[in-house]
Amino acid sequence: AQTVTQSQPEMSVQEAETVTLSCTYDTSESDYYLFWYKQPPSRQMILVIRQEAYKQQNATENRFSVNFQKAAKSFSLKISDSQLGDAAMYFCAYRPVGGSQGNLIFGKGTKLSVKP
Amino acid sequence: DTAVSQTPKYLVTQMGNDKSIKCEQNLGHDTMYWYKQDSKKFLKIMFSYNNKELIINETVPNRFSPKSPDKAHLNLHINSLELGDSAVYFCASSQDTFYAGANEQFFGPGTRLTVL
Repeated sequence: AQTVTQSQPEMSVQEAETVTLSCTYDTSESDYYLFWYKQPPSRQMILVIRQEAYKQQNATENRFSVNFQKAAKSFSLKISDSQLGDAAMYFCAYRPVGGSQGNLIFGKGTKLSVKP
Repeated sequence: DTAVSQTPKYLVTQMGNDKSIKCEQNLGHDTMYWYKQDSKKFLKIMFSYNNKELIINETVPNRFSPKSPDKAHLNLHINSLELGDSAVYFCASSQDTFYAGANEQFFGPGTRLTVL
């Protein structure tokens, strides 16, 4: 069974600095998708960034980028120029390709605090 | 317009009661999901429906019964509520799970269920 591990329950970053959140996963599949979701105190789940496993190029969305290491099964999220609004729970998620199992498998989350 | 809506957002009830949570999406998606987020913030899939057909039914007590009257709605009915059912329940939707690829899952605002 696929599993997703986030080894950092909590992280803290100074405003305007850069922080990296770690995620590793376990799967025997060669093709899949990976996501980072953000959950602020409002509880709303917001997609931050996504990565297709067949793509070697790391995904980037404005201040958010990933370091995808397929062989190591690692998918870390880098947040540059951190802002107060980035404070939230961040969840790494895995999704298989095709078939009927389209649900997301989540890690346990990392709580990110941003200090002014 | 809200893409995925849930009602109610908060639900407080006594043990042993039966309650329902409603979910509607106006995105025209084929697939809808129910996730449970426990007190430690861990998110786990409960059910998935594709075009009103049950696709995923994880190990969930049979007191939980999803119902999909049409592909825009997926309701969750819970019988004989227990203290351990207290959690936040999220509805989500995505387009076409079979070839979903990296399609984003859109989440509702969540329903916080408290069982006393």
